[in-house]
Amino acid sequence: GQNIDQPTEMTATEGAIVQINCTYQTSGFNGLFWYQQHAGEAPTFLSYNVLDGLEEKGRFSSFLSRSKGYSYLLLKELQMKDSASYLCAGMDSNYQLIWGAGTKLIIKP
Amino acid sequence: ETGVTQTPRHLVMGMTNKKSLKCEQHLGHNAMYWYKQSAKKPLELMFVYNFKEQTENNSVPSRFSPECPNSSHLFLHLHTLQPEDSALYLCASSQGRDRVWDTEAFFGQGTRLTVV
Repeated sequence: GQNIDQPTEMTATEGAIVQINCTYQTSGFNGLFWYQQHAGEAPTFLSYNVLDGLEEKGRFSSFLSRSKGYSYLLLKELQMKDSASYLCAGMDSNYQLIWGAGTKLIIKP
Repeated sequence: ETGVTQTPRHLVMGMTNKKSLKCEQHLGHNAMYWYKQSAKKPLELMFVYNFKEQTENNSVPSRFSPECPNSSHLFLHLHTLQPEDSALYLCASSQGRDRVWDTEAFFGQGTRLTVV
């Protein structure tokens, strides 16, 4: 079956670094997405990885290892506004997105 | 503002009511989706329309009925729902699959549905 696993909740301190891990099993693979969702708001696109390696976008970076079925989202210099849920989604061979349940990130001062 | 607008934002309905959720996108996309989001569960894909044709129906009960009159509008008609149908219903759009890579999905802010 197809499955995405990510931690349910994480806590980090303002100004610190946090890494949110995601493991995936999909039928075929056409990339890995990360979305951010603030409470009561729409999920918004953060990153897309289809090749192995690290992609950096400002304070956020996303990493992919296809051989390990593994990705992580790295958030640096955490700010209070980064408190949100982070959704990992793998795209299968039919271009369908398989979603994880999301990781709720709590930032403390 | 993501370019995808959903109305209403909140809806409370009785189990015998009929209501409709509306989604509109102004991004020029050709694929539109309905998702159900329940607390602490993965997003559940309900329906997919690609170039106005329904391409996915993930075993959704018939009390949910989608309608896609054109590539910019998507409706979800609700009839005789159950309390367990209470959830956030999200609409999304993407460029659409036409034998090329699809792009990321853009989501609306959702309709918070409560069935009483």
